[in-house]
Amino acid sequence: DARVTQTPRHKVTEMGQEVTMRCQPILGHNTVFWYRQTMMQGLELLAYFRNRAPLDDSGMPKDRFSAEMPDATLATLKIQPSEPRDSAVYFCASGLVLLAGGPSSTDTQYFGPGTRLTVL
Amino acid sequence: GENVEQHPSTLSVQEGDSAVIKCTYSDSASNYFPWYKQELGKRPQLIIDIRSNVGEKKDQRIAVTLNKTAKHFSLHITETQPEDSAVYFCAASSHYIIQGAQKLVFGQGTRLTINP
Repeated sequence: DARVTQTPRHKVTEMGQEVTMRCQPILGHNTVFWYRQTMMQGLELLAYFRNRAPLDDSGMPKDRFSAEMPDATLATLKIQPSEPRDSAVYFCASGLVLLAGGPSSTDTQYFGPGTRLTVL
Repeated sequence: GENVEQHPSTLSVQEGDSAVIKCTYSDSASNYFPWYKQELGKRPQLIIDIRSNVGEKKDQRIAVTLNKTAKHFSLHITETQPEDSAVYFCAASSHYIIQGAQKLVFGQGTRLTINP
């Protein structure tokens, strides 16, 4: 049963420190999404990659957040410097979208277990 | 952009009864509406989805209905069981026409509690 994996599962850090979260999408998937979940804001889309290219990061604070996909098996979300308001659960999701359609193409997004970030 | 409203925020039902959660969306171009279930401390998991060319879809005890004219869709769970207790999220998509993926906008969630 293929699943999206994320590391670390929990991270506690102090304000001002750099935080890097990692995501391994399901093998063969070509889309990766980063979401942030808080009680107040719910689930918010931060960034979207397709075939490793960043196509939408309009939901991400540009001054401190950055998202990359160095290869097809790894996506990273970095916060530098971190602030207490960044405390949240960060989810990665992956999917397979083929512009030509077909039975393998799907709109379903499969979520990872999340990284619970606490910034003190 | 798309805006999704979800009601109620909390719902408590007796085991065996039905539960209904409703969502409205703002963008008439949205064409994909998934529902996710999230148990405490776990990842959101897709339970059912519907596309704009279909009015209703069923999968065992769960069903989703879509009214495109009114721009609302609902999740129906029948014969509820304690394991149905979780937070349920609806979502609507603004399709990336060029890039081909669904940009999901989520509702605020409904905490469903099934009382034995």
